[in-house]
Formats: sequence, C-alpha cells, structure tokens
Amino acid sequence: EAGVAQSPRYKIIEKRQSVAFWCNPISGHATLYWYQQILGQGPKLLIQFQNNGVVDDSQLPKDRFSAERLKGVDSTLKIQPAKLEDSAVYLCASSPPGQGLYGYTFGSGTRLTVV
Amino acid sequence: GENVEQHPSTLSVQEGDSAVIKCTYSDSASNYFPWYKQELGKRPQLIIDIRSNVGEKKDQRIAVTLNKTAKHFSLHITETQPEDSAVYFCAATSWHATFGTGTRLQVTL
Repeated sequence: EAGVAQSPRYKIIEKRQSVAFWCNPISGHATLYWYQQILGQGPKLLIQFQNNGVVDDSQLPKDRFSAERLKGVDSTLKIQPAKLEDSAVYLCASSPPGQGLYGYTFGSGTRLTVV
Repeated sequence: GENVEQHPSTLSVQEGDSAVIKCTYSDSASNYFPWYKQELGKRPQLIIDIRSNVGEKKDQRIAVTLNKTAKHFSLHITETQPEDSAVYFCAATSWHATFGTGTRLQVTL
C-alpha cells in the first residue's frame, strides 16, 4: 500500500513569513494527525482529524497555526506568521478508525527552518 | 492531559547485550502503548505495540511489558545488533498518542 505522502521535504523561510505543508494519508485511514517534532524531542500533537472533523486541537497555537482537511482526505497545515521557535520537523500520520487503538504510519515529514 | 516519562535518555550497550527502556504514564484512560524506532533523519516507525488487556508481548528479539496498575511499560531488546542503534520513543494512547522524550540507543561492537 502507498504510504503517507508529505510535501515539501524541506523549507527554509524568514521569520514572519508564512508557510504551508501538505499531507495525503493512506487510503481508507479516517484519522489524520499533525505532530511537531523539535530536534531532540518526541513528537508533540498539534491537531487530530477524524474524517474532516477536528477531534483535538488543544495544543495548536491557533494565533499562528491553522489546519484543514477538506473532503476528509488530504490535509494542509499553515503557519502565519512563523517564529524562530517553529523550526522543527512537521510529521503527518494516519491510522485506521478505532479511537487510537492502532499504530500510526508517519510520513517522511517536512523539515522547517525559520531564520 | 497525558504525561509520558521515558528513561534513560541515552543508553550504550555492547553488541549482543540486552537493552531496556522504561516509560511511565499518567492517564489511566490510556489503553494502547506503541513503541517507535527513529533513525537519524527518518520518520518514526512502529516496531511493537501492546494493548491494555495484555501484560507482555514478544516479537523475535523485542518484547514489551505493561503494568497497568503501576502505569509503566518497558521495551526489552535482546541480542542487540549495530542496526538497533536509533532513537526509541514510547507512547501512551487514548484518543491520540502522547510520546515520551526518546532514548538514544547506541550498540557498540
């Protein structure tokens, strides 16, 4: 089966600029997650979608981050404006429906550097 | 929310020795505990998992144990090989996975 697709792989932007990341999950995986992984740390959940609805966005900095999953398939995560501390790898993951009882398949991630 | 602690942060073992990584969690609603391996510059990959109704699970050289009463779970790798060198993350899951801080395992020859 095809894996989780993410693009771009790398992005370098200046602070205060905006950036968008794209994710296409595994076909049939109803649940999609965006995680932020800062160097040397574990992934931290930003937002969880079930189909096209938001399940949990409690840790999403909503003043600058936004995400959508139109039509319940692919998703975009946007940062506007970016700060230096947003430098991280942004990982998209998907899992079958089942309230978190399945392991995730992660995409390759987007490495964001804010200068 | 859930809080997952992971120890040790770094672990160096000789090839052929065993490695043990331990995690504790806080939310009694967590019922699924996966472990991920992340090689440098790559995505985390699921290597083994355990559900709350099971106390132990083994897959070749790796095993996981879970103590729900004490809220801790562990990863055991036996007969370590150089290709086991990576960062390992535990996670506790109810609606979503909360990850530990990671253990950098180095297997030396």
